[in-house]
Amino acid sequence: QVQVVQSGAEVRKPGSSVKVSCKTSGGTFTNYAINWVRQAPGQGLEWMGDITPMFGLRHYAQHLQDRVTITADKSTNTAYMELSSLRPEDTAVYYCANYGNGIDGFHIWGQGTMVTVSS
Amino acid sequence: QSALAQPASVSGSPGQSITISCSGTSSDVGSYTLVSWYQQHPGKAPKLLIYDVNKRPSGVSARFSGSKSGNTASLTISGLQAEDEADYYCCSYAGSTTNYVFGVGSKVTVL
Repeated sequence: QVQVVQSGAEVRKPGSSVKVSCKTSGGTFTNYAINWVRQAPGQGLEWMGDITPMFGLRHYAQHLQDRVTITADKSTNTAYMELSSLRPEDTAVYYCANYGNGIDGFHIWGQGTMVTVSS
Repeated sequence: QSALAQPASVSGSPGQSITISCSGTSSDVGSYTLVSWYQQHPGKAPKLLIYDVNKRPSGVSARFSGSKSGNTASLTISGLQAEDEADYYCCSYAGSTTNYVFGVGSKVTVL
């Protein structure tokens, strides 16, 4: 059974960067597109971007593309999301979610990583 | 790209059926069959309920069904149960520039 485990909670100061990891186990990493979705406290879901490890293709939400970088390490089945120039409004739970392998939806989710941006 | 419109709240009694709408535009819901629905309980990660407008992943109850007409998608929950009380989000592919857009979310209350 495919599982996705994310790195732990982070606290950062405004202007700094954060890098969150997302490890897939129990399945073929390259069968999926790894997506990143965030949720600010009490708010809805926001798609941030994705990477297809098999081809190295990446897509980013337009309003974040100057600050977000998504990478993948096929040797460790791990994807990473780095967000730079952090602002207090970036405080959110960040989720990774696997898409594909026959299912056109975000069907395997990580547990979420809380990122708090505060001075 | 604005979030897809959903009713803020929907309620029903146990055993009833409810429908949650998801209104988009011809640039997203109206143009693609890549519409999905997610259930999220407090403090938990979202769970995929429906993909490709009306397909259910293995393990998802048949009480959940999806449809689409024009620029509006819908999720119907039949035989409402207490455990269905949660937030529900729709999501649509919106082309290669925007990629994916979520709905604002709907809170379902079981009376």
